[in-house]
Amino acid sequence: GIQVEQSPPDLILQEGANSTLRCNFSDSVNNLQWFHQNPWGQLINLFYIPSGTKQNGRLSATTVATERYSLLYISSSQTTDSGVYFCAVGLDTGRRALTFGSGTRLQVQP
Amino acid sequence: NAGVTQTPKFQVLKTGQSMTLQCAQDMNHNSMYWYRQDPGMGLRLIYYSASEGTTDKGEVPNGYNVSRLNKREFSLRLESAAPSQTSVYFCASRRGQGAIEKLFFGSGTQLSVL
Repeated sequence: GIQVEQSPPDLILQEGANSTLRCNFSDSVNNLQWFHQNPWGQLINLFYIPSGTKQNGRLSATTVATERYSLLYISSSQTTDSGVYFCAVGLDTGRRALTFGSGTRLQVQP
Repeated sequence: NAGVTQTPKFQVLKTGQSMTLQCAQDMNHNSMYWYRQDPGMGLRLIYYSASEGTTDKGEVPNGYNVSRLNKREFSLRLESAAPSQTSVYFCASRRGQGAIEKLFFGSGTQLSVL
């Protein structure tokens, strides 16, 4: 199956700093999503981004499908950005299920 | 706007007991999924249902069964719980057709098997 690697595994930032999270995947995909799991365990869908670039407020994401990676940018980080960020990829045929990476744990300190 | 609703939120079982985790979505989605999340790890697929009337195994199906009761509901059953099944279980759904296939999650069930 598809392998998904996320880096870095852990990240500590001061409030106001910027960061870049990376997701590499081993095979062609046509579905890629970024999720934020908050400290209470809730999983929130941030982006559906199989290719190209999208922005939503302080967050943006870029996927280069031909090179099999995606980046999530967080600008002017806030303490509420803390949690775990997951990348999930898949093909929208057959099982139509996503394979998750093991996540990047982000801690934003005041 | 309930989205995906899971019950219960917490459960403690003894080894060998059985239980069913319930999941319902009100977004008229075709596809539904059960994932488990173990400490420090990503989510692993247990079972999925691409559409009403169909179910199939994911990466870690052993020890579980599922039922797609109707288009809204997808339940996960542990017939004889084992300590290795201690985990957080998430139900998810998505439309299952069309151009934008965002996945939506329930709030999770924290299960401990003693």
